[in-house]
Amino acid sequence: DTAVSQTPKYLVTQMGNDKSIKCEQNLGHDTMYWYKQDSKKFLKIMFSYNNKELIINETVPNRFSPKSPDKAHLNLHINSLELGDSAVYFCASSQDRGSGAPNTQYFGPGTRLTVL
Amino acid sequence: QQQVKQSPQSLIVQKGGISIINCAYENTAFDYFPWYQQFPGKGPALLIAIRPDVSEKKEGRFTISFNKSAKQFSLHIMDSQPGDSATYFCAASYNTNAGKSTFGDGTTLTVKP
Repeated sequence: DTAVSQTPKYLVTQMGNDKSIKCEQNLGHDTMYWYKQDSKKFLKIMFSYNNKELIINETVPNRFSPKSPDKAHLNLHINSLELGDSAVYFCASSQDRGSGAPNTQYFGPGTRLTVL
Repeated sequence: QQQVKQSPQSLIVQKGGISIINCAYENTAFDYFPWYQQFPGKGPALLIAIRPDVSEKKEGRFTISFNKSAKQFSLHIMDSQPGDSATYFCAASYNTNAGKSTFGDGTTLTVKP
């Protein structure tokens, strides 16, 4: 009964390749996020979707394209991978603030991306 | 512009000691201040959270102290245990449907036996 799941857990690929990471949440949340955690453990938001609509797009190269087929899924596609893309990518979800619920983020287990 | 500043970057405490991690924020519109705990190879998970209408919240050995006028909040871990060794993130968010959270840079806590 995993709350937020991501696949794959590890991803090793060559520079220039295109790869995707998938995320699913079964918490019934309306909002989903992608975060990037670098080697210094800094946690930076990349994107946020609310009910399948993009609402936050931080300064992220347009090689990164999120897609939300429904509110339980948020996938991340990365084109033309670069060495600097190596990091751990976390998916997260939260309940819609409009419901009055606190904005607690529920994180997935992460996908460690290594670009060679 | 970093809206939530966290210190120290790393902390080493002896077993049984008190661990204190501090955060300062800038945006007075923030209305929710959670702390997340992250173990190696895992995602961050909510540890404890506070709203600005209270000055302190305690859950077991973990306490958040909140100073609204100073725009600061801190996490205190009493009787620190080796199992508390992890990275701790403070965060802040405000009441919009976007629900964006701003995270501190993290503190790596090591509790020595």
